[in-house]
Formats: sequence, structure tokens, C-alpha cells
Amino acid sequence: AQTVTQSQPEMSVQEAETVTLSCTYDTSESDYYLFWYKQPPSRQMILVIRQEAYKQQNATENRFSVNFQKAAKSFSLKISDSQLGDAAMYFCAYILYSGTYKYIFGTGTRLKVLA
Amino acid sequence: DTGVSQDPRHKITKRGQNVTFRCDPISEHNRLYWYRQTLGQGPEFLTYFQNEAQLEKSRLLSDRFSAERPKGSFSTLEIQRTEQGDSAMYLCASSSWDRVYFGPGTRLLVL
Repeated sequence: AQTVTQSQPEMSVQEAETVTLSCTYDTSESDYYLFWYKQPPSRQMILVIRQEAYKQQNATENRFSVNFQKAAKSFSLKISDSQLGDAAMYFCAYILYSGTYKYIFGTGTRLKVLA
Repeated sequence: DTGVSQDPRHKITKRGQNVTFRCDPISEHNRLYWYRQTLGQGPEFLTYFQNEAQLEKSRLLSDRFSAERPKGSFSTLEIQRTEQGDSAMYLCASSSWDRVYFGPGTRLLVL
């Protein structure tokens, strides 16, 4: 089954601190991309960071970085120096590149940033 | 190009009515997706087009739902005989290769 699991429905972090959101996924394929998307309240979903499964090096985008463990099928997101604007729903997702090109999303983690 | 656009942004309808939503993807993108998102949940895949061909359709999409992308550009999603359970945010997204861009969504409320 193609599934994405985000086991933390809600997380809180103090402003300027670091938080890690967890994600695990299930696929038997070897060629895929992984993503983290951010959805602020009542606003559009935007891409935060992506990782190619064939790359061992973890992706980094400014304050956002991932810890990709392919064998464990784990893809966590670390947000450093958290800011109030980081408060949002965060969705982990992947896309397979064999046959279908649909994106599979997790159920999301709501991140609260405390001033 | 300013991104993926959807129209309308909000729709309130009575149960049993038909509704149609439009999505205009990013112009050079050949893949277009429709997703449905209910409160507190992640987007659920509904259907996917590559150019004008509808390549996959979720089992979530009952016979009351139909989607088209007649010229491989904009797409429409029609829901016939709406039910209260259809109330959700309907998201359109387009993709060129390895990343997808979402529209703002159409929020549907069925009374």
C-alpha cells in the first residue's frame, strides 16, 4: 500500500527554537521524490523542501532541513530558529516515478509557534 | 504567469444541485491534479490528467463526479446532485516534472 504517516497531529515550538516533524512512508518502489508542504491557515499550500530518493545527501533550504533514512522509510523535517510565520499545517508527501505520477500525502502536523 | 488559479474560491449550494469548478494550471505544465481536502486531513487524490488525457481516477470519485481537460489547458470538475458529504476544499495542482504547485482551492459547502 502507498501510505504516508505523520504520527504527530500537533507540535509546539518556542520562537527561535528547533523542532522536528516526523514522517514515515510505505512504498516498494525505489525511484521517488519526497516533499514537505506547508499550508498556513486559509492559505495556499506551498512547497518547503524536496528530496530525491536516489540522493543520500539530505536536502537543506535555509532554516529547513530533512533527515532522510531510506532503509527506514523515514523523512523528518527540521525547522531551525523557528519563526511565528512558520505556524501552519505541514504535510509530508511523495511521488512515484513508475507508472503513476500521483502524489500521496500524509494527514499533516499542525505546528504552533509560541512567542 | 502567476501560478495555479481556481474559480470560484467559495461555493455554497443546496443539496441536490450541480456545481462546476474551474482550474487554470501554470501554462507550461502538462500534468494537472484534483485533490479533495477535508478539515484536519491531508489532500486526497481524486484524479490526474496528463495533457488532455485523464490517466487515473480515485475510487473516491463516484459517478456523480466528472473532470475534464478538453484542450490540455484548463480543467473543470463537476459534481452532480451534491450531497452534504461533498463539503470540502477542492484543490487543483499542476506539475511539470518533479514538483507540484497548488492553487488556492475552492471551498464547497453543501447545505
